[in-house]
Amino acid sequence: GEDVEQSLFLSVREGDSSVINCTYTDSSSTYLYWYKQEPGAGLQLLTYIFSNMDMKQDQRLTVLLNKKDKHLSLRIADTQTGDSAIYFCAETYTGTASKLTFGTGTRLQVTL
Amino acid sequence: GAVVSQHPSRVICKSGTSVKIECRSLDFQATTMFWYRQFPKKSLMLMATSNEGSKATYEQGVEKDKFLINHASLTLSTLTVTSAHPEDSSFYICSARDGGSQPQHFGDGTRLSIL
Repeated sequence: GEDVEQSLFLSVREGDSSVINCTYTDSSSTYLYWYKQEPGAGLQLLTYIFSNMDMKQDQRLTVLLNKKDKHLSLRIADTQTGDSAIYFCAETYTGTASKLTFGTGTRLQVTL
Repeated sequence: GAVVSQHPSRVICKSGTSVKIECRSLDFQATTMFWYRQFPKKSLMLMATSNEGSKATYEQGVEKDKFLINHASLTLSTLTVTSAHPEDSSFYICSARDGGSQPQHFGDGTRLSIL
């Protein structure tokens, strides 16, 4: 089955850039997403990319997709304390009725 | 846009009680809604997929009779946890989308605690 992996924890200083990585195994992915979850809350859609794209930028967020290596990353520029949260990458695959397969989540801690 | 409202946000009740959770899409019509369960410090586990006007499709290992799902309109789906027990305590999150190629938008979740 599909497998989506993320590192568990990332700590950055306020003002620095954060890069959260995600690797996946199934090559038939269609869309790839980044969601943010704050404590006790649901998931907030940050951005998403179609699998035939290499990059997407939206204000402080940049998504890079390396389809050959099955690697997705989210870069947050000028990271703020309000960016502290858990970040999930997720994917939909051909033939799965657009169900999301989530990564394990990366906890981002922003320090002063 | 694309706001999903989930209610209640927190429920505490006695073992044996049935609990209903509502998921509403406020500014779009949700042809498909999804119900997830999240354990502490874990990722989301899909429980079932619900299409308006038809029976929900449950994931393997999810008891249909325990977790009743109704999707009677394009803006409302409900999850009823029947005869809840302490092991059903968890964080339940719904999501909705208005088309097969559209992203899922999530509610704020319901923290269910069974005593």
